[in-house]
Amino acid sequence: NAGVTQTPKFQVLKTGQSMTLQCAQDMNHEYMSWYRQDPGMGLRLIHYSVGAGITDQGEVPNGYNVSRSTTEDFPLRLLSAAPSQTSVYFCASSYSPGRADTQYFGPGTRLTVL
Amino acid sequence: GQQVMQIPQYQHVQEGEDFTTYCNSSTTLSNIQWYKQRPGGHPVFLIQLVKSGEVKKQKRLTFQFGEAKKNSSLHITATQTTDVGTYFCAGTPANAGGTSYGKLTFGQGTILTVHP
Repeated sequence: NAGVTQTPKFQVLKTGQSMTLQCAQDMNHEYMSWYRQDPGMGLRLIHYSVGAGITDQGEVPNGYNVSRSTTEDFPLRLLSAAPSQTSVYFCASSYSPGRADTQYFGPGTRLTVL
Repeated sequence: GQQVMQIPQYQHVQEGEDFTTYCNSSTTLSNIQWYKQRPGGHPVFLIQLVKSGEVKKQKRLTFQFGEAKKNSSLHITATQTTDVGTYFCAGTPANAGGTSYGKLTFGQGTILTVHP
């Protein structure tokens, strides 16, 4: 199993550009989520999904869209990039959306918005 | 909304010294998870606690979940240079409904450096 994969690893955008961060898992996990990590802020939940076709907002959803058309994929879309979205983005998945489950994180995407 | 506070933010120790990080939630949790992130890496799951007052050990690491299920701690005995990294706690609110049971809130993390 590849686990959780994310592409790209690094990305530089100009303000106003849009892009999609890709996340895929091959473990048949129901639960997937996106976090951003900023210095001193820990990991903040952007959006999450408890199964295909079901998504919900996390703590910091503004400026981001998600969809979950398949169990495997959970892309994160930046609609109009802003410098405040410069961050490291992690995708994570777990087998069930239940409260008691290990989350597996991808390697992260380092995004810079100029 | 739910807040999870973690202290200290930084801890510098000499190799062989003990280390403790504390996690406090503003609301009662159904579970607490702990993760470790090495510099430049991604968070890696360490353990999960679900019972009030639960204590679990992994070699030199001891994890505790408070009686009220609002706080937790991670203690490392005799730190080694391999313990370097950021330690995060994360919890799910006990009264989560709908899809909110999917919401895991992370603390800010404690950055541990170990001097040889």
